Amino acid sequence: DGGITQSPKYLFRKEGQNVTLSCEQNLNHDAMYWYRQDPGQGLRLIYYSQIVNDFQKGDIAEGYSVSREKKESFPLTVTSAQKNPTAFYLCASSIRLVGNEQFFGPGTRLTVL
Amino acid sequence: KNQVEQSPQSLIILEGKNCTLQCNYTVSPFSNLRWYKQDTGRGPVSLTIMTFSENTKSNGRYTATLDADTKQSSLHITASQLSDSASYICVVSPNDYKLSFGAGTTVTVRA
Repeated sequence: DGGITQSPKYLFRKEGQNVTLSCEQNLNHDAMYWYRQDPGQGLRLIYYSQIVNDFQKGDIAEGYSVSREKKESFPLTVTSAQKNPTAFYLCASSIRLVGNEQFFGPGTRLTVL
Repeated sequence: KNQVEQSPQSLIILEGKNCTLQCNYTVSPFSNLRWYKQDTGRGPVSLTIMTFSENTKSNGRYTATLDADTKQSSLHITASQLSDSASYICVVSPNDYKLSFGAGTTVTVRA
């Protein structure tokens, strides 16, 4: 998993609760990403960060929030505004935003009860 | 809209047999194409990468081909092993950060 860790591996949430997914990398990469994976669909980009203290919305940012206070860390918060949060969430990082391979973490499976 | 279509959606093969997975894309401009292997419940891991000028790339028993004119790629698995059971994802990169992911082909290898 290339020096990227995600925790927890499994997460259960009650409707109406916010939850935060952790992503840490020790690859000294500038860029980090959050994707959502649903059965039968390709990965979809939620948020990305090119550098510390900067992040941008991806294709499906509604109901999610992120922060990038440290180079190594890019936590994702799934808020109660996300209508269908049950999914597999993947964090990735790359040396820079453009032109470099993205390395993926092991993922967090979120289930809303 | 940039799209990546993979076929078949799933397949089952006997151990030791070969198989070929297909990827058609409409991404433009095109920078490179990767094949990733994703084990169940894990993150994707890159198998091969090909740029516009490359026709084929091998990684052990995995061989990827690319026809940039027809915008098609294939991944051939030779002498399949039980450990090849996974989802294989075609990922096309334009000249920016936004990757286009296929939905994947799920391969099941049976003894």
